[in-house]
Amino acid sequence: EAQVTQNPRYLITVTGKKLTVTCSQNMNHEYMSWYRQDPGLGLRQIYYSMNVEVTDKGDVPEGYKVSRKEKRNFPLILESPSPNQTSLYFCASSLSGGVGAAANQPQHFGDGTRLSIL
Amino acid sequence: KQEVTQIPAALSVPEGENLVLNCSFTDSAIYNLQWFRQDPGKGLTSLLLIQSSQREQTSGRLNASLDKSSGRSTLYIAASQPGDSATYLCAVRRTGGFKTIFGAGTRLFVKA
Repeated sequence: EAQVTQNPRYLITVTGKKLTVTCSQNMNHEYMSWYRQDPGLGLRQIYYSMNVEVTDKGDVPEGYKVSRKEKRNFPLILESPSPNQTSLYFCASSLSGGVGAAANQPQHFGDGTRLSIL
Repeated sequence: KQEVTQIPAALSVPEGENLVLNCSFTDSAIYNLQWFRQDPGKGLTSLLLIQSSQREQTSGRLNASLDKSSGRSTLYIAASQPGDSATYLCAVRRTGGFKTIFGAGTRLFVKA
C-alpha cells in the first residue's frame, strides 16, 4: 500500500531533549516536506526537499533541522525543543517538486505526529 | 508574500444541500492549487489538484475551479452527505522555489 509513515505518532518530552521524528514513503517520490499545524494558524511549511541531498527552508524553519540522505526518508530533528514547538506535525511527499507534469501531482500526507514539549 | 484565506471558517448545512467553499490567494504566481480533506485526528487526504493552466477539475460530487487572475478557487460539493463532514483545506504551490502555502480551512458539518 502506498503510504507516508511517521513515527512516533505521539510524543511528550521536556525542553532541551533532542528528538527526531521519522518520515518514510514507499512511492519513490522525489519531493518531501514537513509541516506543522497549530489552531488558528493552519498548516505551515517547515522544510522541504526536492530530492536526495537537496533541502530548503519553508516559512517556519527556526529550531528545526532536516536531512535527506535517502530518497525514501526525511527525518525532522529538533536539536533543543522548546514549548513553542508543541504542535501537530505532518510529513508529505509527491512525485516531483520540479517542473512539468510530474510536478503537478498531489501531495500525500502521513497521519501526523502530536508533539508536546513541557 | 503569498497569503491564502478560506471563507467561511465554519459551515453547517442540511443533508442534500449543494455548497461552495471559497479559497483566495494574494499572489497569482502559483504552480498549482490543491484541495484537501482532513478528518479529526487524521492526516490530509487529497481531493483535487488544479494546475495553474487549468480552470477546473471534477471528481464525483466535487468540482474545483481556479481563477488565477482574481486569486480565487472554489470547491463545489453537490448533494452533501453527513460523511462529507470534515475540515477542507486549500493549498497553493508557489513557483520559483515550490513552497506550499495553506489556508486555515473551512470546517463543514452536514446534518442528517
